[in-house]
Amino acid sequence: DQQVKQNSPSLSVQEGRISILNCDYTNSMFDYFLWYKKYPAEGPTFLISISSIKDKNEDGRFTVFLNKSAKHLSLHIVPSQPGDSAVYFCAASDGNMLTFGGGTRLMVKP
Amino acid sequence: DADVTQTPRNRITKTGKRIMLECSQTKGHDRMYWYRQDPGLGLRLIYYSFDVKDINKGEISDGYSVSRQAQAKFSLSLESAIPNQTALYFCATSDSGQPGKGYEQYFGPGTRLTVT
Repeated sequence: DQQVKQNSPSLSVQEGRISILNCDYTNSMFDYFLWYKKYPAEGPTFLISISSIKDKNEDGRFTVFLNKSAKHLSLHIVPSQPGDSAVYFCAASDGNMLTFGGGTRLMVKP
Repeated sequence: DADVTQTPRNRITKTGKRIMLECSQTKGHDRMYWYRQDPGLGLRLIYYSFDVKDINKGEISDGYSVSRQAQAKFSLSLESAIPNQTALYFCATSDSGQPGKGYEQYFGPGTRLTVT
């Protein structure tokens, strides 16, 4: 059973609008959460993270929100740009390993 | 120059062949990982190593073996390749000694393996 799930395999948004990518997890032992971005023919690259003691972390256009009671996190991208088109993976850490979700393909249309 | 390199980048092999994928890093990190990516399943951990003498199985280790030849090198072997091992393979590293950053993993560019 997948411990980290991204229920939307794809998302399409217009340039300049907000992109919201969602992720759910089941393991209460996860204490750190990360988002990775992946372009074709490249490895995933780290985007932003959040500790379980926080509920929000912001870095420029990217904000991650964590709702521990719901075991849910989301990544907001505002404003979305065509260069943001990629596959986004959420990942959760138990202190040693990362467990990844299945990914969401974001397409930002000009 | 890339911090984490993988060779080969693409490989086509036949069922039953032995194949080795290699990973090298210049980041000075102590921890290294091997993942495979399949559509819709994200990245799944095959093996990981926290230092040269430490090797651990991940979620999907059956059919694979690894060798940590040095702190900077971690290779993945498929002893007898089968078609359902066709996937993208990624090597990653992390630094356990970096406060607050030990969770972050840095990935190589990947190896696309096709088993026919």
